Amino acid sequence: NAGVMQNPRHLVRRRGQEARLRCSPMKGHSHVYWYRQLPEEGLKFMVYLQKENIIDESGMPKERFSAEFPKEGPSILRIQQVVRGDSAAYFCASSPPGRRTGELFFGEGSRLTVL
Amino acid sequence: TQLLEQSPQFLSIQEGENLTVYCNSSSVFSSLQWYRQEPGEGPVLLVTVVTGGEVKKLKRLTFQFGDARKDSSLHITAAQPGDTGLYLCAGARITGANSKLTFGKGITLSVRP
Repeated sequence: NAGVMQNPRHLVRRRGQEARLRCSPMKGHSHVYWYRQLPEEGLKFMVYLQKENIIDESGMPKERFSAEFPKEGPSILRIQQVVRGDSAAYFCASSPPGRRTGELFFGEGSRLTVL
Repeated sequence: TQLLEQSPQFLSIQEGENLTVYCNSSSVFSSLQWYRQEPGEGPVLLVTVVTGGEVKKLKRLTFQFGDARKDSSLHITAAQPGDTGLYLCAGARITGANSKLTFGKGITLSVRP
């Protein structure tokens, strides 16, 4: 059973470029979450999606960041015109529908470095 | 506002020692989870506690959920170097079919051989 798959594992971008991070949830999971982690800080919630719907984007910066989870294919977190402060580890997590205790299954993360 | 406070932030102990770490909040959660994260990897779920006062054991790890479902503790007996890692607690709020997890900053544990 494949776990949550994220790619790329490492991504280097120059300021002003775009970063696209992809996440394939575990088989049977229809809920996807994106979190950002900075050194010595906890995981910060960014966005919660179900297929074709954004359920909660209260943690997403208002500009340059967007996320989608299309009917077919992986979820994508897009960061436009990256700045150095976007450098972080971005984690995707998934959960099955109907889970009443909220556990998440995480991928291994995508580490973005902005030069 | 940090909803979940974890303490201590850093802990370095000798192999074989016992330790207890804490996760505290002023908010009530539907459930609380503990995750362990190793460098370069994603968090891995250790346990979920749901009922106030609940105690769960996972080998040498004992997890307790506070009676009021606002706090939790993790006790490790006879720590081993393999226990080294970042321990994250997370509180879940579930509304309808949707849930949202809020994480503490984590406790960095180092167990010296």
